[in-house]
Amino acid sequence: DQQVKQNSPSLSVQEGRISILNCDYTNSMFDYFLWYKKYPAEGPTFLISISSIKDKNEDGRFTVFLNKSAKHLSLHIVPSQPGDSAVYFCAASARDYGGSQGNLIFGKGTKLSVKP
Amino acid sequence: DAGVTQSPTHLIKTRGQHVTLRCSPISGHKSVSWYQQVLGQGPQFIFQYYEKEERGRGNFPDRFSARQFPNYSSELNVNALLLGDSALYLCASRKGSRTGNEQFFGPGTRLTVL
Repeated sequence: DQQVKQNSPSLSVQEGRISILNCDYTNSMFDYFLWYKKYPAEGPTFLISISSIKDKNEDGRFTVFLNKSAKHLSLHIVPSQPGDSAVYFCAASARDYGGSQGNLIFGKGTKLSVKP
Repeated sequence: DAGVTQSPTHLIKTRGQHVTLRCSPISGHKSVSWYQQVLGQGPQFIFQYYEKEERGRGNFPDRFSARQFPNYSSELNVNALLLGDSALYLCASRKGSRTGNEQFFGPGTRLTVL
């Protein structure tokens, strides 16, 4: 069963507008969430993260919102640029028995296309 | 600063063969993780090493093994290759394991099994 779900395989947005990518999770033990961007033939690039003790984190044009009660997070990109066109992965992790953060569980990704 | 490096970039093997993939983490990072990504899916966790000890293993058969060396570089070994092992193999490093969980990925090794 998928613990991290990205239900939209693709999203198309006009340049300058807002892109909103969504992610849902099922495991209530997850306490750290990350977004990665991936271009073809490259490894994922870390974008932004959020701890479960927060509900918002902002870095430049990127903002991540976390709704723990709904087990939902979203990534907002404002304004969107053509160079943002890539596959975006949501990832989550939980602490192990020793209190250390464990491995990342990824969603299947959402392909964002930003049109000029 | 150099990022995570992986070698080789591409590899073609035949069924039944063995393969070794290599990874060098970002300087100062002591934790290395390996992930497998097949087309249309997100990366799937294989192994995590911290200070040369295995800290986690994903749902992969025993044909998959790994190790971490004193300089924190790592190797992933896959024996008796199957067609289904064809994938992008990603290595990720992070500083420690108790604070955030930002993992930084290398470019990957594209393995094709014929």
